[in-house]
Amino acid sequence: GESVGLHLPTLSVQEGDNSIINCAYSNSASDYFIWYKQESGKGPQFIIDIRSNMDKRQGQRVTVLLNKTVKHLSLQIAATQPGDSAVYFCAEKPNNNAGNMLTFGGGTRLMVKP
Amino acid sequence: KAGVTQTPRYLIKTRGQQVTLSCSPISGHRSVSWYQQTPGQGLQFLFEYFSETQRNKGNFPGRFSGRQFSNSRSEMNVSTLELGDSALYLCASSLALGAGTEAFFGQGTRLTVV
Repeated sequence: GESVGLHLPTLSVQEGDNSIINCAYSNSASDYFIWYKQESGKGPQFIIDIRSNMDKRQGQRVTVLLNKTVKHLSLQIAATQPGDSAVYFCAEKPNNNAGNMLTFGGGTRLMVKP
Repeated sequence: KAGVTQTPRYLIKTRGQQVTLSCSPISGHRSVSWYQQTPGQGLQFLFEYFSETQRNKGNFPGRFSGRQFSNSRSEMNVSTLELGDSALYLCASSLALGAGTEAFFGQGTRLTVV
């Protein structure tokens, strides 16, 4: 499969446990944040997003938390499943850019042990 | 509805050659962005096109160029290939511009320069 990062931080969790993946972003002007999941051999897949006027947003089994004070973003996955094993990226979009350019974090590899 | 299609999936080129990669966005999407993904640098923005106009450009040398056609299909070209250009090149399409506009990624083109 594709190697998306040889030295990515890795989070190893037991199936059924909750996972928390963290991300520090750099641009205080960013107003839109997204989490992507990338499986081997595939492009990034949208998981959940959040605007800067919110501090929490929930999806199906996933929750994103935004702390603008410390420029920190986290992704919580409930009841982690083997199919959640992938590399997870946070991405930010600045509000001074009317386009769709995204700045990505370095990624975290999630490994789910059955 | 068909997703983002990138061709070819795999490509091997020799140093000094040039290469053209193609991206067909989701039907109706007018924004196309390109990213380079490497193990060392992660996901880095190359450029973005909307309605045949380049909206943003990342910090890459002039050997990297792109264009968008009236049907929103996009191509990127890399001239005088270097070994360091070996990477996964990802295309993302979006319906419109601005925060909150979801980007859908293709599976990428894996370019190997030998």
